[in-house]
Amino acid sequence: EIVLTQSPGTLSLSPGERATLSCRASQTIRSNYLGWYQHRPGQAPRLLIFGASSRATGVPDRFSGSGSGTDFTLTISRLEPEDFALYYCHQYGGSPPSATFGGGTRVEIK
Amino acid sequence: QVQLVQSGDEVKRPGASVRVSCKASGYTFTSYDITWVRQATGQGLEWMGWMNPDSGDTGYEQKFQGRVTMTRDTSISTAYMELSSLRSEDTAVYYCARGSIAAFLWGQGTLVTVSS
Repeated sequence: EIVLTQSPGTLSLSPGERATLSCRASQTIRSNYLGWYQHRPGQAPRLLIFGASSRATGVPDRFSGSGSGTDFTLTISRLEPEDFALYYCHQYGGSPPSATFGGGTRVEIK
Repeated sequence: QVQLVQSGDEVKRPGASVRVSCKASGYTFTSYDITWVRQATGQGLEWMGWMNPDSGDTGYEQKFQGRVTMTRDTSISTAYMELSSLRSEDTAVYYCARGSIAAFLWGQGTLVTVSS
């Protein structure tokens, strides 16, 4: 099973600042199968990035994804008040197919 | 409107089973996999498994093997997730989502509480 390790666990920042979230995989994963989700309390998760770097429909361009192999990054260029939430990376693949989520990074207001 | 609508919250006794439904509308139900994910209170997201609504093929997270069953009724565009032998640790919000590689559409979530 592929383990995804996210860091840091919590990121304390102010609105307008840049957020950089890391996701490291225990083995190489195909970039097409790496995604990032935002999860706000009381709401369903929301897909932000798929294929490591493609923004989902309606996602603001301040969100960007990068990386390959075992190291992936989600960057929020300038934090808006609604961006303070939990973020999870996710991978899918293997035979038989399975998936895992990282442990999450909480982005909180400093 | 493209959406997934889940069944209502449930309260179950330890040892019981629960079945959560997920009704799709606004798109061709058999064209996309359905994934099930849960989040226990204070915990992260946990992938439970997937189902191909066209073929009925399924894949389950090893942790849930033997306890989870994912099925569908294509005549009413509805997917089901049944979890048996419930224990307190299964208290969580359960989500269905469209897609397996990437989940572009999510249900609203169903809270399952396991309590004696």
